[in-house]
Amino acid sequence: DTAVSQTPKYLVTQMGNDKSIKCEQNLGHDTMYWYKQDSKKFLKIMFSYNNKELIINETVPNRFSPKSPDKAHLNLHINSLELGDSAVYFCASSPHPGQKTGKTDTQYFGPGTRLTVL
Amino acid sequence: KQEVTQIPAALSVPEGENLVLNCSFTDSAIYNLQWFRQDPGKGLTSLLLIQSSQREQTSGRLNASLDKSSGRSTLYIAASQPGDSATYLCAVHGEYGNKLVFGAGTILRVKS
Repeated sequence: DTAVSQTPKYLVTQMGNDKSIKCEQNLGHDTMYWYKQDSKKFLKIMFSYNNKELIINETVPNRFSPKSPDKAHLNLHINSLELGDSAVYFCASSPHPGQKTGKTDTQYFGPGTRLTVL
Repeated sequence: KQEVTQIPAALSVPEGENLVLNCSFTDSAIYNLQWFRQDPGKGLTSLLLIQSSQREQTSGRLNASLDKSSGRSTLYIAASQPGDSATYLCAVHGEYGNKLVFGAGTILRVKS
C-alpha cells in the first residue's frame, strides 16, 4: 500500500548517459513534484505537474525533462548526465496545487532515488 | 526570493530533554509552514502543517508554533527519545503557487 513510490532506489551510471527515474502515487492526488537534494542536503524543487500539466519549472537545465503520462505518474528523464547531477531525487504528491482554498496540502514524499554519476 | 534558515544546524541532547528547533523565513507572505522529518537514506515524513492563519499545531510530543509577521516558527519536542534522532526540515509554502521552500535542516541526535 505504498503511497508514493520511486524506481530505481539507486542508480549508478557514467557521464554522458541518458537515464530515467519513475514515480507513481496511488493517493489520487492531482499534483506531483520532483525535488533534488544535493550533497549539502538542501532540498530544492525542480518541477511540478497538476493533472498532467506543467505548473512549476525552476531553473533546471534542459537536459532534465519531466513526463506525466497520467496524473498518477511523473517520470524524470535526464540526458547527457554530468557529475554535478549526482544527488538524491525525491518525488512527491499533494491533493491540489495549494491555492487559497483553506484546504491542507501536505506533500507526501517518495523514498528517493540516489543517482551517482561517475 | 524566499529563504528559509534553520538553527541550530545540529543538536545533540541526552534522552528525556525537552528541545526547541528554530526556523525563520524572509518573506512573510506564506500559505502554510510544514515540519518534516528525514531519516538517513529515507524520504521525508510530514510531522506538522500550520496554516498561515494558525498560531500552533500539536501532535503527541510535538508542538509547532508560527509567528507569520516575524517570519519565525519553532518545533518543540517534549521528553526526547533516541527514536527522535533524525534530520528535521522546515518548509514554507508560498502564498501563490505550490512551491515549498526548504531550510537546510537540523540534525538531531538523542543519546540514550
